[in-house]
Amino acid sequence: DAKTTQPPSMDCAEGRAANLPCNHSTISGNEYVYWYRQIHSQGPQYIIHGLKNNETNEMASLIITEDRKSSTLILPHATLRDTAVYYCIAFNSGGGADGLTFGKGTHLIIQP
Amino acid sequence: SQTIHQWPATLVQPVGSPLSLECTVEGTSNPNLYWYRQAAGRGLQLLFYSVGIGQISSEVPQNLSASRPQDRQFILSSKKLLLSDSGFYLCAWSVRGPNSPLHFGNGTRLTVT
Repeated sequence: DAKTTQPPSMDCAEGRAANLPCNHSTISGNEYVYWYRQIHSQGPQYIIHGLKNNETNEMASLIITEDRKSSTLILPHATLRDTAVYYCIAFNSGGGADGLTFGKGTHLIIQP
Repeated sequence: SQTIHQWPATLVQPVGSPLSLECTVEGTSNPNLYWYRQAAGRGLQLLFYSVGIGQISSEVPQNLSASRPQDRQFILSSKKLLLSDSGFYLCAWSVRGPNSPLHFGNGTRLTVT
């Protein structure tokens, strides 16, 4: 799996958009970008994943640069409940069952 | 819809005692199943994964073992716990197939004393 680099922490004001960056400059062509978050003392929660195109779901949007070397997760209207550690992972299971490798992530703190 | 259950939520065990943590998945068939551990202040570490009944792959050699006696049941065990086994144990499942996201349970917080 390609290595990803994320800032260790970020702050965002409640109600504003939270933009979480991730660098994955060594990503290979068949690796997807996954985002998960982990609220304190809970299991990680899947947010979104994508390969090349931008993706959007009810939780967030994922913007992947054209060269795929970086991406941004966007929480459009952050709430206090979005305070969590956010993990960006570059991964291709290749049809097998290899598990994801989690790094240290970004601790996002939503300020009231 | 699919759900994943882990129990117990918390557990305190003495050093040298056995361990059995259970995970079950509902609402899906033939899932891939995973056990992760998160030590205090550290990242998630993949311990075991399984693609089917009786099929277990180990990522990290240690005094833990895993078994999958039924399609949607995954068990993590130890014969003799060590202090270093303390941590947050998470079970996860995914649909069989490439690049399916993992879905995690709420975990078991194990303290070995």
